[in-house]
Amino acid sequence: DAKTTQPTSMDCAEGRAANLPCNHSTISGNEYVYWYRQIHSQGPQYIIHGLKNNETNEMASLIITEDRKSSTLILPHATLRDTAVYYCIVFGSSNTGKLIFGQGTTLQVKP
Amino acid sequence: NAGVTQTPKFRILKIGQSMTLQCTQDMNHNYMYWYRQDPGMGLKLIYYSVGAGITDKGEVPNGYNVSRSTTEDFPLRLELAAPSQTSVYFCASRLDSTEAFFGQGTRLTVV
Repeated sequence: DAKTTQPTSMDCAEGRAANLPCNHSTISGNEYVYWYRQIHSQGPQYIIHGLKNNETNEMASLIITEDRKSSTLILPHATLRDTAVYYCIVFGSSNTGKLIFGQGTTLQVKP
Repeated sequence: NAGVTQTPKFRILKIGQSMTLQCTQDMNHNYMYWYRQDPGMGLKLIYYSVGAGITDKGEVPNGYNVSRSTTEDFPLRLELAAPSQTSVYFCASRLDSTEAFFGQGTRLTVV
């Protein structure tokens, strides 16, 4: 299974963009990058995913480098409600079905 | 469409007791997962299933058993509960390579 590396914690000022990095240097060609977040011990929530093109939805943008070895999740205008643990996962059809989470990044949005 | 439903939400067990954590999903997802999350830590995969009748071990299977007799249900059985099994348990499901949906968790305390 491909593994990911994320910073343990980050701070962001309210209203500013939050940029959360993720390294996945062993990603395979058919594996997607998925991002989830977990707010205050609730069940994790899906945010966005992508294969190689940049993606945007109503929650966030995902920027994947050309070599696909790293990605950045962007929350364009962070609010206090975005304070959460953010998980980056790589997953694809070649996986056995296992869905492994790392430690994630704790994002603290400050007023 | 209720999504992923976990019961109970809270439970206190005495050492040596047994219990079953229930998980059901109404989205006809083939993959289902059980995770545990200890305080301040990330999610650890206990068991997963790629379809009815098929289960496999995750990262931390010891002390647990699962079954998958139907597509909808994926119960997690704790035999001889120990204090080390005090944790929050999350069930998740997904369809093929799409995103996973999580339940709201079961908070278990073993005393």
